Amino acid sequence: LAKTTQPISMDSYEGQEVNITCSHNNIATNDYITWYQQFPSQGPRFIIQGYKTKVTNEVASLFIPADRKSSTLSLPRVSLSDTAVYYCLVGVFWDYKLSFGAGTTVTVRA
Amino acid sequence: DTGVSQDPRHKITKRGQNVTFRCDPISEHNRLYWYRQTLGQGPEFLTYFQNEAQLEKSRLLSDRFSAERPKGSFSTLEIQRTEQGDSAMYLCASSSGTSGKRYEQYFGPGTRLTVT
Repeated sequence: LAKTTQPISMDSYEGQEVNITCSHNNIATNDYITWYQQFPSQGPRFIIQGYKTKVTNEVASLFIPADRKSSTLSLPRVSLSDTAVYYCLVGVFWDYKLSFGAGTTVTVRA
Repeated sequence: DTGVSQDPRHKITKRGQNVTFRCDPISEHNRLYWYRQTLGQGPEFLTYFQNEAQLEKSRLLSDRFSAERPKGSFSTLEIQRTEQGDSAMYLCASSSGTSGKRYEQYFGPGTRLTVT
C-alpha cells in the first residue's frame, strides 16, 4: 500500500475554502485516491474518490496532478460542522481493506 | 436504508472477561468489515467477510478475537479474556461490492470498549 503524508492539523474560519494536500510519492498505477471524513464519536464517512485530474461532487473537489504523487482535497466555504478529521487513502480500487493514517484534524472557527 | 448499526455503543468490562459486539450492515450489502480505532489514530483493519465467508484476518486479530457472520447478515465480534490493550473503538462497515462502489464503505457508529 502506498504511504500517505498529510498535515496533522489545519485551522480555518467559516466561509473559507480549505485545501488539504496529501503526498503519496509511491502511488502505483492501479491505485485510486480516496478521502474519508470522521466526526467525533462517529465512524468515517466516504467523501470522494479519484484517479487523475479533477473530481467534484456536492461535498468536495479532489485535484490530482498528472504525476499523481499528491492530491488536494478542497472543501468550499466551510462551516463549523465541517470540523472533523479527514483521511487520505491510497489503494487498489478493488481492494477491500481501507488503510487509514492519522488524518488531518480540521478545525473551523466562527 | 437505515445505515449500519452496532450494539452496544459502549461497553465497560473487567480484564479477563469476554465481550461480544454485534453489527447489522446495510441490508443489501454483501461485504462486512471490522476495524479498531484507538485515540488519535485512524481505524485499523481487522477482518472482512463476503457474505458468510471470512476472507481475511489481520495480524492484529489475535486468537482471542473471533468474528462470525452467520447467514451473511449480521456479524459478531467476540474478544475473549480481555486485556487493557483491547480498549478501543470497534467499528463495523459494509459495502455493496459492486463495480464503482467497492471502495465506498459505510461505517457504523462504533462500540467503545473500555477494559478496566
